[in-house]
Amino acid sequence: GEDVEQSLFLSVREGDSSVINCTYTDSSSTYLYWYKQEPGAGLQLLTYIFSNMDMKQDQRLTVLLNKKDKHLSLRIADTQTGDSAIYFCAYHTGGFKTIFGAGTRLFVKA
Amino acid sequence: DGGITQSPKYLFRKEGQNVTLSCEQNLNHDAMYWYRQDPGQGLRLIYYSQIVNDFQKGDIAEGYSVSREKKESFPLTVTSAQKNPTAFYLCASYGEGSGNTIYFGEGSWLTVV
Repeated sequence: GEDVEQSLFLSVREGDSSVINCTYTDSSSTYLYWYKQEPGAGLQLLTYIFSNMDMKQDQRLTVLLNKKDKHLSLRIADTQTGDSAIYFCAYHTGGFKTIFGAGTRLFVKA
Repeated sequence: DGGITQSPKYLFRKEGQNVTLSCEQNLNHDAMYWYRQDPGQGLRLIYYSQIVNDFQKGDIAEGYSVSREKKESFPLTVTSAQKNPTAFYLCASYGEGSGNTIYFGEGSWLTVV
């Protein structure tokens, strides 16, 4: 089946690193994504990783992919209050559908 | 600039009324989508369209209708048959290319009064 699971909440202190985890079921997914949603806004693509990669780094963001365990993580270094948002893990199926997790709400305490 | 435009941002519906949410994209994407997001919840797929004049039901299509007469446009009608329409509605589009990424509009809030 098609499913993505994420923890619902994460709270960190400003300046610490945040790690948001996700597990998925479809081993045939080619691309895996992290989206960010701020209150009352649409989803903004943060980064994506191709399924033949183990890691991708983009400034403060590091994505790790463990295909064996079907586990994806997003690490945000030096987390700032502006990083407070909902983070969605997603993957693209073979067709035209993208499957989203329920989102992880990141709270950053000053 | 290329992107997806949703309108209106806020919409109020009276009981028994149909309302239509607009979604326009200038990204030249073939596929377009409508999602519903309830407060504190994830995204649920309402309808999607892979090509002009064709669309498929998603997971929660009951009480909604769509059309795809032009590549750029994918309006969503929330009918009176939808008993609990108050939610945040997100339109998205998808195209082949770098990352095969789905792009989102800024969303529309629908409230029943």
